[in-house]
Amino acid sequence: NFMLTQPHSVSESPGKTVTISCTRSSGSIASNYVQWYQQRPGSSPTTVIYEDNQRPSGVPDRFSGSIDSSSNSASLTISGLKTEDEADYYCQSYDSSNRGVFGGGTKLTVL
Amino acid sequence: EVQLVESGGVVVQPGGSLRLSCAASGFTFDDYTMHWVRQAPGKGLEWVSLISWDGGSTYYADSVKGRFTISRDNSKNSLYLQMNSLRTEDTALYYCAKDWNDEFFFDYWGQGTLVTVSS
Repeated sequence: NFMLTQPHSVSESPGKTVTISCTRSSGSIASNYVQWYQQRPGSSPTTVIYEDNQRPSGVPDRFSGSIDSSSNSASLTISGLKTEDEADYYCQSYDSSNRGVFGGGTKLTVL
Repeated sequence: EVQLVESGGVVVQPGGSLRLSCAASGFTFDDYTMHWVRQAPGKGLEWVSLISWDGGSTYYADSVKGRFTISRDNSKNSLYLQMNSLRTEDTALYYCAKDWNDEFFFDYWGQGTLVTVSS
């Protein structure tokens, strides 16, 4: 099995760009798709990125995803930050034994 | 509109048992793999279990394997999680989630049902 490691928290000002990383501990980040979920306080998670870099309909193009094999990590980038983007963000993938894996989550503060 | 509505969460003593249910609507339930995901109070998300569209394949997180059993009744559009030998560390909000095309991507989530394991 592997772990996905995220920074505990990030903060940035409105209008700026922030990138949240998600590093896979073993095996290639490209082996299995990575998803990103946004969770606002008191709400269920919603998807902002699936299959590494795909945006569900309704998610603004300010949200983008990528993977980097050299660092074995995935990244979520949010540009033109808005106060409404303040939330917890989780990366997620799965292993070869069909078990789901979540990162520990990153608290984004927009100040 | 896709809806997933969990129920069955209560306060239970350590060592006890509980069955959670998830009622699905707004999509063809028996076409999709379904999952349970949990979140301990103030903590992150933890994947718990999945069941294939026909119930023929099931998988579990190591933390619950041998104690929890996932099942489904496609005639009732319902997903279940039988939880036995409960521990205090099982205290969490339990979400039911729909898989998108067997890609291990949760495209819809319920609102969750709270399980508290405490004496």
